[in-house]
Amino acid sequence: GIQVEQSPPDLILQEGANSTLRCNFSDSVNNLQWFHQNPWGQLINLFYIPSGTKQNGRLSATTVATERYSLLYISSSQTTDSGVYFCAVGPINDMRFGAGTRLTVKP
Amino acid sequence: NAGVTQTPKFRVLKTGQSMTLLCAQDMNHEYMYWYRQDPGMGLRLIHYSVGEGTTAKGEVPDGYNVSRLKKQNFLLGLESAAPSQTSVYFCAIRGDTQYFGPGTRLTVL
Repeated sequence: GIQVEQSPPDLILQEGANSTLRCNFSDSVNNLQWFHQNPWGQLINLFYIPSGTKQNGRLSATTVATERYSLLYISSSQTTDSGVYFCAVGPINDMRFGAGTRLTVKP
Repeated sequence: NAGVTQTPKFRVLKTGQSMTLLCAQDMNHEYMYWYRQDPGMGLRLIHYSVGEGTTAKGEVPDGYNVSRLKKQNFLLGLESAAPSQTSVYFCAIRGDTQYFGPGTRLTVL
C-alpha cells in the first residue's frame, strides 16, 4: 500500500502564529484528504485536494501530485485549532492515513 | 456528526469474549467504513461496504467480521476479542466527503 509520512510529528505554537504541515506520499494518487481530530476525538474533513490549491477561511491546502506531497497552511492560529491533523491518500475505499501532526496552540 | 452514530461509546471486554459494534446513519449513503485508531497512529481501514448486503476487506480485517443487512446500519463484530484489539473504533460514511462517527473506545483485558 501507499506509504504516508507527515511532518512535523508535533508542533507547538503561540496563538496568532502561522504554521505549515507537510504530507509526503509514496505513489501517485487521485485522492488526498486532510482531516482534523479535535482533543475530544472528533474527526472532521478539512479538504479533499488531490491536486491544486484550496482555501477555507484561515486554512488552505496545496497538493503537488507530481512531486507527491501536500501542504496544509494554518494562518493566525487559534486555540481551537489544537488537535491532530491527518492526511489520507489512496483509493477512496483503501485510504492510508499518516501518523498525524499534533498541533498545540497556546493562548 | 452529520448523522452518524456509534453504539456503545465505551466497552471493556475480557479476552475471548465477543461483541458487536453498531454504526447507524440517517443520510442514506451507500458507502460505510470501519476504522481502528491506535495511539500515535492514523486510522486503519478494517472493512467497508459499498451498499446493502455487500462487504469487503480493508487493510486490517483479521479478527473482525461485518454485516450490512440494512442500508442504514453497518455492524462490526469481534468473535473472540484479543488484547491487540484494544483500540478506538470509528465508523464513517461517504457522501461528498467522509463523515465520521464519534468513536467507540474498546479495551480488551
